[in-house]
Amino acid sequence: DVKVTQSSRYLVKRTGEKVFLECVQDMDHENMFWYRQDPGLGLRLIYFSYDVKMKEKGDIPEGYSVSREKKERFSLILESASTNQTSMYLCASSQGGSGNTIYFGEGSWLTVV
Amino acid sequence: ELKVEQNPLFLSMQEGKNYTIYCNYSTTSDRLYWYRQDPGKSLESLFVLLSNGAVKQEGRLMASLDTKARLSTLHITAAVHDLSATYFCAVAGTYKYIFGTGTRLKVLA
Repeated sequence: DVKVTQSSRYLVKRTGEKVFLECVQDMDHENMFWYRQDPGLGLRLIYFSYDVKMKEKGDIPEGYSVSREKKERFSLILESASTNQTSMYLCASSQGGSGNTIYFGEGSWLTVV
Repeated sequence: ELKVEQNPLFLSMQEGKNYTIYCNYSTTSDRLYWYRQDPGKSLESLFVLLSNGAVKQEGRLMASLDTKARLSTLHITAAVHDLSATYFCAVAGTYKYIFGTGTRLKVLA
């Protein structure tokens, strides 16, 4: 079974803090994604990566950055957390190319106070 | 820009009834996905529809795809309480997967 693991399920951070959300997948997938999920807005794509050290902006990249130094790991970074970044963050991965099923991690609930 | 719209956003239905959730998308794509999400949980893949006219069924759920109309449907037959969840459709673009806003389904006993 594909396993996408997000290291932190629940976090509480202060405004202005730097926040790291880590994601690891064990299926040698080329593509990895970070989404945020908010009530009434569905899932919105923040960043994605189709190869090591490659990254592409999604629909809402402002305030976020990412890092993919190894194929299995994709990190989301909030350089200076703000209250409007309080959300559930979902990491996902898929095989290379486009149109393959994506598999999600359990999600990270981030509260910024 | 690829957009995906689902309706209804909320659906409350009695056990034993049938209903359909609709998913419209804005640009050409021949790959559409349905996911289920339980409260506080992540998304679980239900169906992958890969071509025009594709139909897949699992238990009381059946999904279909009409690429010409840019429409997918998720039909629920004789609903039971265990189907209460949020259902998302998603469309594959180039490397990107765009999700609908979700349909929150509540099945009442």
